[in-house]
Amino acid sequence: KQEVTQIPAALSVPEGENLVLNCSFTDSAIYNLQWFRQDPGKGLTSLLLIQSSQREQTSGRLNASLDKSSGRSTLYIAASQPGDSATYLCAVIGGSTLGRLYFGRGTQLTVWP
Amino acid sequence: DTGVSQDPRHKITKRGQNVTFRCDPISEHNRLYWYRQTLGQGPEFLTYFQNEAQLEKSRLLSDRFSAERPKGSFSTLEIQRTEQGDSAMYLCASSRAGQGAEAFFGQGTRLTVV
Repeated sequence: KQEVTQIPAALSVPEGENLVLNCSFTDSAIYNLQWFRQDPGKGLTSLLLIQSSQREQTSGRLNASLDKSSGRSTLYIAASQPGDSATYLCAVIGGSTLGRLYFGRGTQLTVWP
Repeated sequence: DTGVSQDPRHKITKRGQNVTFRCDPISEHNRLYWYRQTLGQGPEFLTYFQNEAQLEKSRLLSDRFSAERPKGSFSTLEIQRTEQGDSAMYLCASSRAGQGAEAFFGQGTRLTVV
């Protein structure tokens, strides 16, 4: 069974810092990896999708990398802002299931002014 | 708004009552998923449809839970004889067909069983 782990569980930083959130997964047979943002009491917003053949994706201040063979992904947030405060979830779609996403528990990020 | 839509956003019910939630996926998406999320946890898979066919169900989906997608468009998730342990956020997602297609989530339905 696919297991997804996110480290750290929580992170509190001052505004302006560059951040790295980590995600690891146990089964490297994945189709893609997706990073989401979740605000309190809300649904999930897709941030970045990395196909298994890709190494990284960028969107604005966000950059996600994927090392499929080692079962790792990182989400890099540049020049963090208070509006980035949220929970960030990593999810993978495995090769043995028809599109089911396996999620980590998330990293709760607080960026203070 | 062409995103995934869920209704209601919040539901408070007494233990033992039945509840039904609705999800309207993005119109051109033929895959639809239901997930459940409890506080401090990541979403857990419940079930998955491709068009009107329910292709996969989690062991989390007990006999009290049933999901339908009768015409391959909107879906409903019904919970019978609710228990306090059913209190959670119920999330719906949709995607196109194809390996590794991007999933888009709705705002969720927050269920509280009292």
